[in-house]
Amino acid sequence: DAKTTQPPSMDCAEGRAANLPCNHSTISGNEYVYWYRQIHSQGPQYIIHGLKNNETNEMASLIITEDRKSSTLILPHATLRDTAVYYCIVRVRNFGNEKLTFGTGTRLTIIP
Amino acid sequence: ETGVTQSPTHLIKTRGQQVTLRCSSQSGHNTVSWYQQALGQGPQFIFQYYREEENGRGNFPPRFSGLQFPNYSSELNVNALELDDSALYLCASSSQGGSYEQYFGPGTRLTVT
Repeated sequence: DAKTTQPPSMDCAEGRAANLPCNHSTISGNEYVYWYRQIHSQGPQYIIHGLKNNETNEMASLIITEDRKSSTLILPHATLRDTAVYYCIVRVRNFGNEKLTFGTGTRLTIIP
Repeated sequence: ETGVTQSPTHLIKTRGQQVTLRCSSQSGHNTVSWYQQALGQGPQFIFQYYREEENGRGNFPPRFSGLQFPNYSSELNVNALELDDSALYLCASSSQGGSYEQYFGPGTRLTVT
């Protein structure tokens, strides 16, 4: 799986949009971009994934650049409960390749 | 829909002992993966089970073993515990042939003294 690079930490004011960047310059054509988050001492929570088109769900939006070498996770109206470590992962999405390779992620702190 | 559950929540063992951790997968999921998360690190893949057979393994020694049962629940067994085995052990379930997204349980916190 391709390697990802994320900033170690970020702050965001409550109510503002939180934009979390991720670089994945060696991503292959069949690798998806996934985002998970982990609130302190809980299991990681799936947020969103995408291949090349921008995606949106009830939790967040995912913007993938046209060359697919980077992406941004957007939490549109951050709340205190969004304070967590956010992991960007790239992986092939098929049978027999379920392994998720986590890095150290971005620790997002929402400031009241 | 029932989420992923794990037991026990916390566990304290002595070096050299053996431990068994349990995981019940989310309803409709047939694949279980186990991860180890040391303090301050991201989760590390241990292995995955599909149809009661190991279907991929990370860089962990043979003293880490597992089982999957016909109802898709799973066990993680660790023999000859070492101090470095102290970690949060996470179980994730997914559906082969389905969405492939992994859904995690709350984890078991293992402390080895």
